[in-house]
Amino acid sequence: SSELTQDPAVSVALGQTVTITCQGDSLRRFYPSWYQQKPGQAPILVIYSKNDRPSGIPDRFSGSKSGDTASLTITGAQAEDEADYYCNSRDSTRSLWVFGGGTKLTVL
Amino acid sequence: QVQLVQSGTEVKKPGASVKVSCKASGYTFTSHYMHWVRQAPGQGLEWMGLMFPRGDNVIYAENFQDRVTLTRDTSTSTDYLELTSLRSEDTAVYYCARDISSSYGWWFDPWGQGTLVTVSS
Repeated sequence: SSELTQDPAVSVALGQTVTITCQGDSLRRFYPSWYQQKPGQAPILVIYSKNDRPSGIPDRFSGSKSGDTASLTITGAQAEDEADYYCNSRDSTRSLWVFGGGTKLTVL
Repeated sequence: QVQLVQSGTEVKKPGASVKVSCKASGYTFTSHYMHWVRQAPGQGLEWMGLMFPRGDNVIYAENFQDRVTLTRDTSTSTDYLELTSLRSEDTAVYYCARDISSSYGWWFDPWGQGTLVTVSS
């Protein structure tokens, strides 16, 4: 299957921890990448590989995976983390890539 | 620094074609694949296809196989996406994004700034 499923919306109180999940068969084989997108802007990479962050991404962002579910965790969410978050992975059997439907994160 | 700069906004009529460019700089162009992704207004990201590093192969998403053509000009480090038979549902922001991979997976970094294509009569 080439689908990745994300919860449409999640909220978190300022300074608290929030986890955004991504579920799909391809995640049993591959690690996903995670992207943050703010209104009117292009997506940016926040987590890739097993649990790596590009330069400039705060260490409050982390990733993990178990079975067919991957998680993006923000420990101590900040107001500037309010955005849409997308996971992405290659299909497990074909050379195609797929995005999850996205999760809108609201920081209260 | 690594940068992808895309062409500007396009307004097209239904049935027309559009060609979007993505000029790369700051890295060895022929060492990386390039993905194309689109985002309709208020919607999520949709993967469209992949250009191979030397421009000798492409992979298209099933939804676009009959209407999209990806090309690469290695002399100018520029990738192109052409979409034909445009319809209103093709109104979207189109992004290019460099592919990076390891034994653990693939990721897209950086992304171009996006090109808005509006299809309207």
